[in-house]
Amino acid sequence: DIQMTQSPSTRSAAVGDRVTITCQASQDIKSFLNWYQQKPGKAPRLLIYDASHLEAGVPSRFSGSGSGTNFTFTISSLHPEDIATYYCQQYANLVDTFGQGTRLEV
Amino acid sequence: EVQLEESGGGLVKPGGSLRLSCAASGFTFSSYSMNWVRQAPGKGLEWVSSIGSNNNYIYYADSVKGRFTTSRDNAKNSLSLQMNSLRDEDTGVYYCATRATPTRWGQGTLVIVSS
Repeated sequence: DIQMTQSPSTRSAAVGDRVTITCQASQDIKSFLNWYQQKPGKAPRLLIYDASHLEAGVPSRFSGSGSGTNFTFTISSLHPEDIATYYCQQYANLVDTFGQGTRLEV
Repeated sequence: EVQLEESGGGLVKPGGSLRLSCAASGFTFSSYSMNWVRQAPGKGLEWVSSIGSNNNYIYYADSVKGRFTTSRDNAKNSLSLQMNSLRDEDTGVYYCATRATPTRWGQGTLVIVSS
């Protein structure tokens, strides 16, 4: 199975900060990568698909980049409502895997 | 609009069984592979199972292999997860999701395995 290593596990940030989260795949997944935001008690919300495509309705301060094994998720300027946990997910084959999650805190 | 609604969760004793359902609407269900994903309390997301659009494949996480069975009924736009021999560690919220780009998820159903 493909392993996804996500870092950091926790990130302290202030409103207005630029925040970057990375995911590394154990093998080439091309661009088959999603990024999600999850708030307590809620289902995950898709933000980025195919590594860099912004889901409809998602603010442009969110972005994704990368291909192959190294991927980056960026919030260009942190808003208070962005405090949440973020996950990457690879879907390159028929067995998906998730990163361990990054908890953003103020 | 794509809608996925899970049901069937509840409280069950260790060793018991439960059957989850996912009702799909707003898209051509028979054209899409589907996933089950779960989340234990306070933990991350864990892929559980995937099934092809025409039952052409079914895969399971090692943690549930031999105990869980995924199936679908394309005529009824429905996905199911039969869970047997349940363990404490199966407790969590279970989500169904499309294996599409972009993916769509339901709101989840809570399963609690406890004596």
